[in-house]
Amino acid sequence: DVKVTQSSRYLVKRTGEKVFLECVQDMDHENMFWYRQDPGLGLRLIYFSYDVKMKEKGDIPEGYSVSREKKERFSLILESASTNQTSMYLCASSSPTTGGNEKLFFGSGTQLSVL
Amino acid sequence: AQTVTQSQPEMSVQEAETVTLSCTYDTSESDYYLFWYKQPPSRQMILVIRQEAYKQQNATENRFSVNFQKAAKSFSLKISDSQLGDAAMYFCALKGANTGTASKLTFGTGTRLQVTL
Repeated sequence: DVKVTQSSRYLVKRTGEKVFLECVQDMDHENMFWYRQDPGLGLRLIYFSYDVKMKEKGDIPEGYSVSREKKERFSLILESASTNQTSMYLCASSSPTTGGNEKLFFGSGTQLSVL
Repeated sequence: AQTVTQSQPEMSVQEAETVTLSCTYDTSESDYYLFWYKQPPSRQMILVIRQEAYKQQNATENRFSVNFQKAAKSFSLKISDSQLGDAAMYFCALKGANTGTASKLTFGTGTRLQVTL
């Protein structure tokens, strides 16, 4: 089975701290994604990557950056954490299909609290 | 731009009964895909079912089926013979076929399903 592993299930940080959220997948997937999930807002795409060292902004990239130095690892970086970044962060991966209806595989999420 | 609307924040169903979760969407693309994902208490989302818009036949996966009404832009999920393990948050999602190199899904706000004895 595909495994997408997020390094922390719960994380508490202080305002202004630099925060790294790590995600690793073991199925050699080309595509990787970072979403944030907030009650009443569903999932919103922050950044995605379709290849090593390639990245594209999603719908809400402000205040975030990403890094993909190796195919299996996709990191989300909060340069200076703020309280409005308190949220559930979900990582996902997929392998592109010709038709485009590829299935996403998700990690178990990191609940980040910024105090 | 594309949007996905789930108008039922919460639903409840008795075990062994049938429940339908609603989803409407909007997209300017002529070809697209629709998905239902389930997020159980473990938080790990899994794909329940998917539908290609060009296919008229409704997708079915065991106890899960969809009612896809393309003209009405509606994509509801029907769960038959509900089980306790079906209790979860359900998200409807949409992806245009021409959105580029990666799968950019647009998600709805979710419907929390409770299953009672």
